[in-house]
Amino acid sequence: DAMVIQNPRYQVTQFGKPVTLSCSQTLNHNVMYWYQQKSSQAPKLLFHYYDKDFNNEADTPDNFQSRRPNTSFCFLDIRSPGLGDAAMYLCATSNSLTDTQYFGPGTRLTVL
Amino acid sequence: ILNVEQSPQSLHVQEGDSTNFTCSFPSSNFYALHWYRWETAKSPEALFVMTLNGDEKKKGRISATLNTKEGYSYLYIKGSQPEDSATYLCAPLGDDKIIFGKGTRLHILP
Repeated sequence: DAMVIQNPRYQVTQFGKPVTLSCSQTLNHNVMYWYQQKSSQAPKLLFHYYDKDFNNEADTPDNFQSRRPNTSFCFLDIRSPGLGDAAMYLCATSNSLTDTQYFGPGTRLTVL
Repeated sequence: ILNVEQSPQSLHVQEGDSTNFTCSFPSSNFYALHWYRWETAKSPEALFVMTLNGDEKKKGRISATLNTKEGYSYLYIKGSQPEDSATYLCAPLGDDKIIFGKGTRLHILP
């Protein structure tokens, strides 16, 4: 089945220790998104890739970076995680910016 | 589109009852509205994409309406079932930007 896969589902890291979250898709979609969702809040878009074009949201901290080495994979790098970065991180894909998004199951990040 | 409000935040409904909840958004620069259902421990799943004022969409017991002039959408669930328990997220798209609401958390009581 075509799908969006996120690994790992649960990630624990230490304060200040770099961490990378992974997303892959078999849908061959052009757009890949990363969202951060904290408890009881709306998912917040961090950035998206349209093909190889990277689009950063204005209020996304520099601590968050992303890489998309090919159509199928997209990574979220948190360079120096703080306690406030503990959240659910959702990856999504779509064929265009206006189309339905297909989400992965998310990675729950804990920062100790 | 900056401010997306969903109400209520949380809702408890008896199994078999019908219910509805609201998504409000600024009506300027509107392009489309997405509704998603997010069950615990699963991925958010798309329900509807709506673009035209007066649009009505239906999927089984769930339907949605859209009013772009006044900036709101209603989601209706008829004859609630336990499997309807989930968070329902709306996400209007405008200015090439999609913004999610906080969601309405629906609990179906047996």
